Amino acid sequence: EDKVVQSPLSLVVHEGDTVTLNCSYEVTNFRSLLWYKQEKKAPTFLFMLTSSGIEKKSGRLSSILDKKELFSILNITATQTGDSAIYLCAVPGGATNKLIFGTGTLLAVQP
Amino acid sequence: GAGVSQSPSNKVTEKGKDVELRCDPISGHTALYWYRQSLGQGLEFLIYFQGNSAPDKSGLPSDRFSAERTGGSVSTLTIQRTQQEDSAVYLCASSFTGGPYNEQFFGPGTRLTVL
Repeated sequence: EDKVVQSPLSLVVHEGDTVTLNCSYEVTNFRSLLWYKQEKKAPTFLFMLTSSGIEKKSGRLSSILDKKELFSILNITATQTGDSAIYLCAVPGGATNKLIFGTGTLLAVQP
Repeated sequence: GAGVSQSPSNKVTEKGKDVELRCDPISGHTALYWYRQSLGQGLEFLIYFQGNSAPDKSGLPSDRFSAERTGGSVSTLTIQRTQQEDSAVYLCASSFTGGPYNEQFFGPGTRLTVL
């Protein structure tokens, strides 16, 4: 059965800290891995990763995929209170590419 | 519209009543997905549409749940005889073709509370 596991479940840091969020996966016929940020209700798309070792970067956020070890990390540098959210990792599964989500990492950034 | 829209944003209903949740996907997106997020649970897949067809209904939790999509656009998720365990946020997502390299864009969700 396809599965996505995220760690840690929750994290509290102070503004300016750097955080690393982890996502491991087991999926038949891996094609891509997606990261989303969920602040209220709607998850907003951050990154899609398809190839190992190629870093995707957007401002203070970056992510990389390791297809050999079956995991991805999301890094946030110089965290701000606005980074407080649930970060979700997902992989498309099955013939219809429905997203299989991890339970998410709840990040709280304190001033 | 510019993004996926859903209505209502919040719905409170009594146990046993029927509810309808609406999703308006991004124009031109042929793939539409419904997910559910319960307290303490991750996002769970419910149903997938490609055009007006639903080739994957495997996530619907019971026969009280049904969905349709018309005109390759708007979708409605119907829950009959609601139960308290149906309380959750119902999220809709659309993607360009539903391929594994197309991002899924989410709507703001409908928070359903069954009393």
